[in-house]
Amino acid sequence: AQRVTQPEKLLSVFKGAPVELKCNYSYSGSPELFWYVQYSRQRLQLLLRHISRESIKGFTADLNKGETSFHLKKPFAQEEDSAMYYCALSPRVSGSARQLTFGSGTQLTVLP
Amino acid sequence: ETGVTQSPTHLIKTRGQQVTLRCSSQSGHNTVSWYQQALGQGPQFIFQYYREEENGRGNFPPRFSGLQFPNYSSELNVNALELDDSALYLCASSLAYGLAGGPHEQFFGPGTRLTVL
Repeated sequence: AQRVTQPEKLLSVFKGAPVELKCNYSYSGSPELFWYVQYSRQRLQLLLRHISRESIKGFTADLNKGETSFHLKKPFAQEEDSAMYYCALSPRVSGSARQLTFGSGTQLTVLP
Repeated sequence: ETGVTQSPTHLIKTRGQQVTLRCSSQSGHNTVSWYQQALGQGPQFIFQYYREEENGRGNFPPRFSGLQFPNYSSELNVNALELDDSALYLCASSLAYGLAGGPHEQFFGPGTRLTVL
């Protein structure tokens, strides 16, 4: 069974400060990790996935298999980054249902 | 391109009743997944449909059932409603279940808020 843990329910930072949203996972196989974001009054949307190794809106996330972590980072937070962030895991198994297991989310508030 | 739509937006039922929630997948998508999101929690996988067949199920009892139609739209049915079924129900569609190397990005609908009294 897989599990995703986001230890912080709430996180506040000032504009321009670095931000790190923590995500730890447990899964015995090879996972795919994702970050989803939900802005106020909008639907859940994909922010980034670890296999793409891309930076989206200045956010990056590195998969650390040794620490089973996938923390989301941004060097300079902006007020528009305020949102609910969910870390999610999907088994990378051929023929799997590709179900997403989500963490409980971190509400990020960027203060002016 | 039309995004994922869900109906109704809100629904109030009483314990023991049955409910049907509907989802229209994004144009061209053939896979639909359903999630339950309780207040203060992340979405929890219920099941997935691909080509009109259930293709994976989370830890939900059989009173949660679904259908997928030839146009890839989908329904989630819940029988014998319980108070704990009160939640936001999310539908997500994706392009091609099973393609090797595919990103399988799931696109979410706005959800249906179910309240069970």
